[in-house]
Amino acid sequence: KNEVEQSPQNLTAQEGEFITINCSYSVGISALHWLQQHPGGGIVSLFMLSSGKKKHGRLIATINIQEKHSSLHITASHPRDSAVYICAVRVYSGGGADGLTFGKGTHLIIQP
Amino acid sequence: DGGITQSPKYLFRKEGQNVTLSCEQNLNHDAMYWYRQDPGQGLRLIYYSQIVNDFQKGDIAEGYSVSREKKESFPLTVTSAQKNPTAFYLCASSIGGGDYNEQFFGPGTRLTVL
Repeated sequence: KNEVEQSPQNLTAQEGEFITINCSYSVGISALHWLQQHPGGGIVSLFMLSSGKKKHGRLIATINIQEKHSSLHITASHPRDSAVYICAVRVYSGGGADGLTFGKGTHLIIQP
Repeated sequence: DGGITQSPKYLFRKEGQNVTLSCEQNLNHDAMYWYRQDPGQGLRLIYYSQIVNDFQKGDIAEGYSVSREKKESFPLTVTSAQKNPTAFYLCASSIGGGDYNEQFFGPGTRLTVL
């Protein structure tokens, strides 16, 4: 069974710091997702990766398929980045819609 | 605006009652999903549907039922057989059920069973 491990579980940093959140998984995957969940509970998809690196504004996501590892980076962090960041993977299913496997999330707090 | 709506945001029910959670999408997506989130745990898949009139059990389907009579709607019923129904429920959809399709999430419904 695929396991998705995130680290750290909790992270508190000062505004402006460079943030890194890590995600490791145990089986081959077709895609990896980074999601953001705000205190109200709604989830926003940040990135979907199957290889390499993607950048959107101050957010950067990388994936190393061989090492089964992904990182989410936040540059110039801001208090509005405070949220739970969730890593989720899609095990290759040959086209079947069997959902995602999720990590437990990293709770990030950026202090002004 | 295209998106996924879930209603209500908060729902309270007495133990032993069935309750139905609504999920509607106007994204014209074929695939829809229901996930459950508990404190300190990752989201877990309850049911998914690739197409109208078809759905499959996920990892924790016991005590739940779904229907997919219309493309845009995928309601979830939490039955009295579900032992621990209090949780946060998220609905998601994707354009298709393929491996490389991004999933879009609704705002969630927080169900509390008293």
